[in-house]
Amino acid sequence: DTGVSQDPRHKITKRGQNVTFRCDPISEHNRLYWYRQTLGQGPEFLTYFQNEAQLEKSRLLSDRFSAERPKGSFSTLEIQRTEQGDSAMYLCASTGWVTDTQYFGPGTRLTVL
Amino acid sequence: EDQVTQSPEALRLQEGESSSLNCSYTVSGLRGLFWYRQDPGKGPEFLFTLYSAGEEKEKERLKATLTKKESFLHITAPKPEDSATYLCAVQAGQGGSEKLVFGKGTKLTVNP
Repeated sequence: DTGVSQDPRHKITKRGQNVTFRCDPISEHNRLYWYRQTLGQGPEFLTYFQNEAQLEKSRLLSDRFSAERPKGSFSTLEIQRTEQGDSAMYLCASTGWVTDTQYFGPGTRLTVL
Repeated sequence: EDQVTQSPEALRLQEGESSSLNCSYTVSGLRGLFWYRQDPGKGPEFLFTLYSAGEEKEKERLKATLTKKESFLHITAPKPEDSATYLCAVQAGQGGSEKLVFGKGTKLTVNP
């Protein structure tokens, strides 16, 4: 399978703990995106990377959120001091040079107790 | 601010009963309109990209169309396996933003 992969698929944590998610994009895709989706809503944009550069961030991305893509390949999204309102599905998507179509991974379901 | 509104929120069809889903949008210069299918607990699965008014795309029982203000996803003779949430998203051209702005989706249930 050469699609976008995300790890872990599920994460349960206690309020106040830090969590980190990983996304591996489709091979050779230079653009990578993070979205957050809550129940009954469409995905909401969080941030965008072109290669290793973080070029766009949403106002949704508070100071507790940080994302990296150190070598322009995989990306990590860290949430510090988690709150119950952070409970959501975190989705990663990637796209390449010749298309604007974003291909999504299976998501990481975060539950904050 | 770019906005996408999908209707209806939920749609229940009998197998073989054709229908259409609506996606109305306001955007600062449309770069692309995207349709995705999402099954429960999974990531969105790409269906179609439309770029300009009058454009149509087809795939099996699905056909997507685009006007200057809205897009339709027509489902012909649906089967139970077409049951899913269908998401519409737009990407704005002005300002060079890469983000997709999604609607809330239409939850389709096809009964056998």
